[in-house]
Amino acid sequence: DAKTTQPNSMESNEEEPVHLPCNHSTISGTDYIHWYRQLPSQGPEYVIHGLTSNVNNRMASLAIAEDRKSSTLILHRATLRDAAVYYCILRELNNNAGNMLTFGGGTRLMVKP
Amino acid sequence: DAGVTQSPTHLIKTRGQQVTLRCSPKSGHDTVSWYQQALGQGPQFIFQYYEEEERQRGNFPDRFSGHQFPNYSSELNVNALLLGDSALYLCASSLGQSRFTDTQYFGPGTRLTVL
Repeated sequence: DAKTTQPNSMESNEEEPVHLPCNHSTISGTDYIHWYRQLPSQGPEYVIHGLTSNVNNRMASLAIAEDRKSSTLILHRATLRDAAVYYCILRELNNNAGNMLTFGGGTRLMVKP
Repeated sequence: DAGVTQSPTHLIKTRGQQVTLRCSPKSGHDTVSWYQQALGQGPQFIFQYYEEEERQRGNFPDRFSGHQFPNYSSELNVNALLLGDSALYLCASSLGQSRFTDTQYFGPGTRLTVL
């Protein structure tokens, strides 16, 4: 699987937007970009995913660079409950591949009141 | 919908012992994956079960084995426990037919401590 690079940690103020970056310079044309997050003392939870176009859902937005070598997860108004480790994961579109997730170290987001 | 459930919540074992962890997938899901998460690190994929067979395996020794039952629930077995096996063990369920963009739903995990 192609590798992703994320900052170890980021800080944000409550009710302000947060932009979490992810670099994936070796991404292939068939790799989907997925984001999961892990709240304290919980298992990871799905946030959003995309292939080429920007995506929005009730939790967040995903902005994908035109060359797909980087992406940004956007939380429009951070709350204290958004404090978590955020993982950017590439998943290959491959008929023979299982659907395992390859986690890196992720970005620990701290939200200040 | 109960979501993914795991048991037990916590477990303490000694070196050399064997342990069995259990997982019930989210209703309607037929695929179960197991992950190991050491303290301060991201989860690492152990293996995945689909249609009662191991479909994919990560870089874990044969001491780690599993099983999936006809009702899609699953067990993770670890033999000859080592201190380094101390970790949070996560179970995730998904739909096997949709491999590429499917969402994996994780349980809360089982915290295993090996003394």
